[in-house]
Amino acid sequence: AQSVTQLGSHVSVSEGALVLLRCNYSSSVPPYLFWYVQYPNQGLQLLLKYTTGATLVKGINGFEAEFKKSETSFHLTKPSAHMSDAAEYFCAVSEPGRRALTFGSGTRLQVQP
Amino acid sequence: EAGVVQSPRYKIIEKKQPVAFWCNPISGHNTLYWYLQNLGQGPELLIRYENEEAVDDSQLPKDRFSAERLKGVDSTLKIQPAELGDSAVYLCASSLEGRGTDTQYFGPGTRLTVL
Repeated sequence: AQSVTQLGSHVSVSEGALVLLRCNYSSSVPPYLFWYVQYPNQGLQLLLKYTTGATLVKGINGFEAEFKKSETSFHLTKPSAHMSDAAEYFCAVSEPGRRALTFGSGTRLQVQP
Repeated sequence: EAGVVQSPRYKIIEKKQPVAFWCNPISGHNTLYWYLQNLGQGPELLIRYENEEAVDDSQLPKDRFSAERLKGVDSTLKIQPAELGDSAVYLCASSLEGRGTDTQYFGPGTRLTVL
């Protein structure tokens, strides 16, 4: 069965600093990988996804993530944090052939001025 | 383009009462999902529809939960009777075809509080 681990339920960075949110997965086959963001009282919004091809994926709002099969990781990064990035971030996986997402428990990002 | 619409946004009920949530997916999306999100957790799939057929309901507690998607468009999720542990956010999502690579688009959710 596939699973997702997000290290750090809370991450705090200063405005302008690097954002790094960690995601590791376990799957019997190379999965499809997603990052979603959730602002307070809103639904989840897709930031980026990896399905096939280039392992470095660029998303919206300056975020990117790199699929590393050898490390079973899909960490999310942004070079310079903005106050508007404060939100909850979820990593999710979907195994080929399965059509359901398995989500991690989320990481709450705080951005300090 | 309108997004996924859910109503109500908030619901407070007494335990043992029934409750229903409604979802209207993005126009043209044939796959609809209901997720349960507990506080501090990621969403967990309850049920997935392809058109009007429930193709994955293995995580739906069928003793008290039911769902329908008549005509393959909007959907209703019902709980009867509600228990204290059902307090959570119920999210609806839709995707174009339900493939594993498809983006799922989420509604704002219904926050249920059971007293």
